[in-house]
Amino acid sequence: EADIYQTPRYLVIGTGKKITLECSQTMGHDKMYWYQQDPGMELHLIHYSYGVNSTEKGDLSSESTVSRIRTEHFPLTLESARPSHTSQYLCASSEYGDGSPLHFGNGTRLTVT
Amino acid sequence: EDQVTQSPEALRLQEGESSSLNCSYTVSGLRGLFWYRQDPGKGPEFLFTLYSAGEEKEKERLKATLTKKESFLHITAPKPEDSATYLCAVPTYGQNFVFGPGTRLSVLP
Repeated sequence: EADIYQTPRYLVIGTGKKITLECSQTMGHDKMYWYQQDPGMELHLIHYSYGVNSTEKGDLSSESTVSRIRTEHFPLTLESARPSHTSQYLCASSEYGDGSPLHFGNGTRLTVT
Repeated sequence: EDQVTQSPEALRLQEGESSSLNCSYTVSGLRGLFWYRQDPGKGPEFLFTLYSAGEEKEKERLKATLTKKESFLHITAPKPEDSATYLCAVPTYGQNFVFGPGTRLSVLP
């Protein structure tokens, strides 16, 4: 049973809309991550956080932003959704960061029309 | 540049037919190789971490091994419930991981 929760599970939205993907974890992990995954493709890091008030961009941060006001909460925001943002977004956390396993949520499948 | 490749891309087995999945990596200073299982519509689930060549880890019908250039995930007498995509990953710079594209395993009854 997942200890990291993502909402919504599925989202269909029109171009230009602002959206926030929610991610919460109950494990008390300091390190949290957002990955993007297209079907049959590698996961790519979008953003990560070392802890409260700490956020860093990954390889694909592009037009998205994140915040980390509470340890358990790491939302991802797209200010203006585009069809190119259509993908699966996976949130993850880890206990120690570098070299420790990632615990993933079940993802948000985003479709931008 | 750190890279991870996996083969085959897809594998279909009959129930009970053992086989192996390959993960080849190129990384400066290996700090662990991770195997995950991903079911359709779900996030990856952690299976194993291997840290040094020669190391082996086992879990039920799965056994992971590591050499200096690659890792194998051996599946012994698989069952249909082993059907999933298997991902491998290595830590890279900063807090990032390089993931392979995965092997999609189908085990037919």
